[in-house]
Amino acid sequence: RKEVEQDPGPFNVPEGATVAFNCTYSNSASQSFFWYRQDCRKEPKLLMSVYSSGNEDGRFTAQLNRASQYISLLIRDSKLSDSATYLCVVNTLRQGGKLIFGQGTELSVKP
Amino acid sequence: DAGVIQSPRHEVTEMGQEVTLRCKPISGHNSLFWYRQTMMRGLELLIYFNNNVPIDDSGMPEDRFSAKMPNASFSTLKIQPSEPRDSAVYFCASSLGPVQETQYFGPGTRLLVL
Repeated sequence: RKEVEQDPGPFNVPEGATVAFNCTYSNSASQSFFWYRQDCRKEPKLLMSVYSSGNEDGRFTAQLNRASQYISLLIRDSKLSDSATYLCVVNTLRQGGKLIFGQGTELSVKP
Repeated sequence: DAGVIQSPRHEVTEMGQEVTLRCKPISGHNSLFWYRQTMMRGLELLIYFNNNVPIDDSGMPEDRFSAKMPNASFSTLKIQPSEPRDSAVYFCASSLGPVQETQYFGPGTRLLVL
């Protein structure tokens, strides 16, 4: 079983749609959670951290369910510019703690 | 401010040749990471340094791979000899402190081994 699992997609949605991505992680001791965004042929960039109480940044909402070891990202009113791959990232306390990246979920927003 | 700088951006080489990838982290960042990304395996951590000291190299595929960080502003990842299966995008990233901090990625080096 992979440490971080995501639905690879692709998710094809029209502009203005609401889309949700899910992610599960296997290490119950994980402490830090993030969503990164990667545009085609570019480097990953931090989109937002994920806090236990849930957090929102404009059209983006991230939630964490520690009991189910589940992280989600909700994008409201999607824009063409949201088209990218979204990477779920979890830290692990093994070996000094390092970030484990999911395979990513591809989003394509169409006009 | 300059971000993480990597060179070369593209590298095409023949099997058996030595390949050296270079990285300059963001000034003031104490942690540096080397990742490899492929379609099949996604983004994998190869090795990371904290204050120029290698902390975890468990992701380094085999002895053909080596990494150094001689000072706070420079790191290299070397593959010798290179093989076609090493073809991938290699990213360098840096962060201010402990690994849980936000990591800033460089633009990557696209390596093709023929």
